[in-house]
Amino acid sequence: QITLKESGPTLVKPAQTLTLTCSLSGFSLSTSEVGVGWIRQPPGKALEWLALLYWNDNRNYSPSLKSRLTITRDTSKTQVVLTMNNLDPVDTATYYCAYTEDKSGTDIGFDYWGQGALVTVSS
Amino acid sequence: QSALTQPRSVSGSPGQSVTISCTGTGSDVGGYNYVSWYQQHPGKAPKLMVYDVTKRPSGVPDRFSGSKSGNTASLTISGLQTEDEADYFCCSYAGSSTYVFGTGTKVTVL
Repeated sequence: QITLKESGPTLVKPAQTLTLTCSLSGFSLSTSEVGVGWIRQPPGKALEWLALLYWNDNRNYSPSLKSRLTITRDTSKTQVVLTMNNLDPVDTATYYCAYTEDKSGTDIGFDYWGQGALVTVSS
Repeated sequence: QSALTQPRSVSGSPGQSVTISCTGTGSDVGGYNYVSWYQQHPGKAPKLMVYDVTKRPSGVPDRFSGSKSGNTASLTISGLQTEDEADYFCCSYAGSSTYVFGTGTKVTVL
């Protein structure tokens, strides 16, 4: 059974760096074709894709946030970490991690999602 | 990379059909057959309803169907049910392994 769970601080001060961890269960990033993405959603607003990390260490970022984001995995390949620097109150959102696969000729979308982690940026 | 455009809201009575549009550009929706749709109930995580424009994951009712014409993708819900009341978001591959989501549509069952 595939599950994902986000963890991290609930309150961060402006200009600080946010570090969020996505813990994977039922799969790992050592499995061929597997990917984990991060998506966020400000309160009452739309989803926004942030970053994606694949099993082969291929990393991709939203062009508008690329300079502020880093996505990595731990050595066990069961956790995916997203860091975002220089936080601003507009970064207040629920941050989700989600499972996907990189298959030729198809895009399965984000098939499994974590419960989300609400992060508030405020002084 | 701008958000895909969706109507803010659509509504229908139980049993009716509603269609949600998702308009992008030739660099995203129009350029690839990789559009997915997500249903989100209040306070819950999104749920994948359609991928590759028209395909449904296992367990998604066949009342949900996707299509695409040019730079606009659509999600149709046939035989609307009360549990279909939710927010819906489209998402498209935008090249170079990047993605863009839509602005979201609230579906109301009258």
